Amino acid sequence: GNSVTQMEGPVTLSEEAFLTINCTYTATGYPSLFWYVQYPGEGLQLLLKATKADDKGSNKGFEATYRKETTSFHLEKGSVQVSDSAVYFCALSGLTNNDMRFGAGTRLTVKP
Amino acid sequence: GAGVSQSPSNKVTEKGKDVELRCDPISGHTALYWYRQSLGQGLEFLIYFQGNSAPDKSGLPSDRFSAERTGGSVSTLTIQRTQQEDSAVYLCASSLGGSSHEQYFGPGTRLTVT
Repeated sequence: GNSVTQMEGPVTLSEEAFLTINCTYTATGYPSLFWYVQYPGEGLQLLLKATKADDKGSNKGFEATYRKETTSFHLEKGSVQVSDSAVYFCALSGLTNNDMRFGAGTRLTVKP
Repeated sequence: GAGVSQSPSNKVTEKGKDVELRCDPISGHTALYWYRQSLGQGLEFLIYFQGNSAPDKSGLPSDRFSAERTGGSVSTLTIQRTQQEDSAVYLCASSLGGSSHEQYFGPGTRLTVT
């Protein structure tokens, strides 16, 4: 079945450092791919998404490119801020609405 | 507009008691999901409602768990005879359904079973 594997955390970076959180997936067909972010004490929020191969999702300085050849959707940001400290979840959605699979989450802490 | 809301935000209960968790989805969203997020774990799918169709209950971990959705809107997740391993954050999400897969999440209910 469909599944998502993402980089284990926690990840600790200094402000303005470069961020990569790896995410790979296994799926049949052509899933949509998502990154969700969960700030402390809040629910998950959609950060960005990509619905087909080679699409690049971007938001708030974060980017991820849907790579079918490597079945990956790595999250990147060139210069992180303290306010980016959160848990990041990679997810994929299959052919049906109830076929959403989430990774285990990666906790990011950015220190000033 | 208003997002997904959940109540209560926190619930502490004694082992063996029943609890009810409530979710108000975004108005007009036909799909509603419940997930469980245990400490340090990813999201575990519990149940999915789509319009008037029969719910997908394939993720419910035991028969102590049940959920209903009245009038295609508000949903209640009930856990009977709670156990300590039920302690987790229970998240509700809704989406437009159909070809849209983007889910909008509520803030969650943190359940602690003592």
